[in-house]
Amino acid sequence: GAGVSQTPSNKVTEKGKYVELRCDPISGHTALYWYRQSLGQGPEFLIYFQGTGAADDSGLPNDRFFAVRPEGSVSTLKIQRTERGDSAVYLCASSPGTSGRTDTQYFGPGTRLTVL
Amino acid sequence: GQSLEQPSEVTAVEGAIVQINCTYQTSGFYGLSWYQQHDGGAPTFLSYNALDGLEETGRFSSFLSRSDSYGYLLLQELQMKDSASYFCAVLTGGFKTIFGAGTRLFVKA
Repeated sequence: GAGVSQTPSNKVTEKGKYVELRCDPISGHTALYWYRQSLGQGPEFLIYFQGTGAADDSGLPNDRFFAVRPEGSVSTLKIQRTERGDSAVYLCASSPGTSGRTDTQYFGPGTRLTVL
Repeated sequence: GQSLEQPSEVTAVEGAIVQINCTYQTSGFYGLSWYQQHDGGAPTFLSYNALDGLEETGRFSSFLSRSDSYGYLLLQELQMKDSASYFCAVLTGGFKTIFGAGTRLFVKA
């Protein structure tokens, strides 16, 4: 079946602009995670959704970052007033959500964001 | 703070066995996962340990000691395709997963 998909695969923007990154999880997965990964580092947790609600958004670095999942499927990560330090690969992962915290996370290919 | 420590690089020859260690210090602990990531690719799940002991999945095994805040990933019969980055990750209190910085494994012929 189809895996996690993310669009766009690459996004180049200018400092100060607004960007939206989209994640399509595996069909039926209720849990959805956003991470960002800088070169040579591990994924850094941003936010976790269970269904439509953000169960844990403690990883969002500041109020320029916001994520939604209005129908419990597709999620959008929104970044306002982008800064050069926001440049990274943004990864989305989903899991069935039926086994609580032990679920395997299935990652998408990521969106490479470059802020000039 | 929360931290996971793992070696930055490991080199081994084809057919050999390699062990990648991970020590962690986190607030809350539900389990330790391992992920593999090839350059330019997405992380893929390898194993998960919630209890002390060894979990075996084919050529890969993972071990956890909760009392020592320590775990390792063991890769046997190394193949060239195993060259990748390997991340340990702790499932903490709440729903946050904390990843280590990763270990780059180079497999030589």
